[in-house]
Amino acid sequence: DIQMTQSPSTLSASVGDRVTITCRASQSISNWLAWYQQKPGKAPKLLIYKASSLESGVPSRFSGSGSGTEFTLTISSLQPDDFATYYCQQYNSYSATWTFGQGTKVEIK
Amino acid sequence: QVTLKESGPALVKPTQTLTLTCTFSGFSLSSSGMRVSWIRQPPGKTLEWLARIDWDEDKFYSPSLKTRLTISKDTSKNQVVLTMTNMDPVDTATYYCARIKGATNTGAFDYWGQGILVTVSS
Repeated sequence: DIQMTQSPSTLSASVGDRVTITCRASQSISNWLAWYQQKPGKAPKLLIYKASSLESGVPSRFSGSGSGTEFTLTISSLQPDDFATYYCQQYNSYSATWTFGQGTKVEIK
Repeated sequence: QVTLKESGPALVKPTQTLTLTCTFSGFSLSSSGMRVSWIRQPPGKTLEWLARIDWDEDKFYSPSLKTRLTISKDTSKNQVVLTMTNMDPVDTATYYCARIKGATNTGAFDYWGQGILVTVSS
C-alpha cells in the first residue's frame, strides 16, 4: 500500500497569510494527487487534481505542485472561508486504489 | 447538475450486514468513462476509500476490506449499492458516495454526496 504523510497536522495562520501544506508519498505516484477541503459536518470539496490542475470554480489563490513523491498545496492569501481541514489523496493507477493523508487543520491564529 | 445522496440505516448491530444506496442524478453510469466510489470517514479521522464501480461493470475494492464488500449498480434507477458484511463498532463512520472526475480517470472525486452516519452498536 502507498502511504501518504501530510504535514503539518495543524497550522495556525492569519487572514492574508501564505499557507503551504506538504504531502509525501511512500513511493512515486507520478502526478496522481488530489487535494480536498473539508469543513465540519460537510463532504470534502475537490480543490486540485492531477497535482496541479485547479478544479473549476475554485479560487485561484489555491495552487498545487509536485510530482513523484512530494507535493504541495499553497493558499496564496488565506481568506476567512479557508479555515478548514485539508486532505491529500493519491490514486494508484496500477491497483486502482486510493489513499488519503491524515489531514491538516488550518486554524485561526 | 450532478448530485448524489446516500441512504440506509443509521444504526446497525454488530455482525449484521449494512446495505447503503447512492442515488445520483446529472450523469449516467451507462455512459463511457463514468465511475462511482464509496468512501468512509470515522468520527474525527481521515477518509478511507472502500470500493468503485465503472460504467462497464468493472469493480474494485479496498484490499483490506475486500472480503466484506460488494458493490453493484442499477443503471435504470441511477443507483449504486454497497453492502458490507459482519459489521463491527470500528465500522462506525460517515459513508460517502462520490463520482470520479472525468471520462478519462483523473483519480479524483469531483462530486460527493452529503454522507450518512452509520453507527454500529448493540
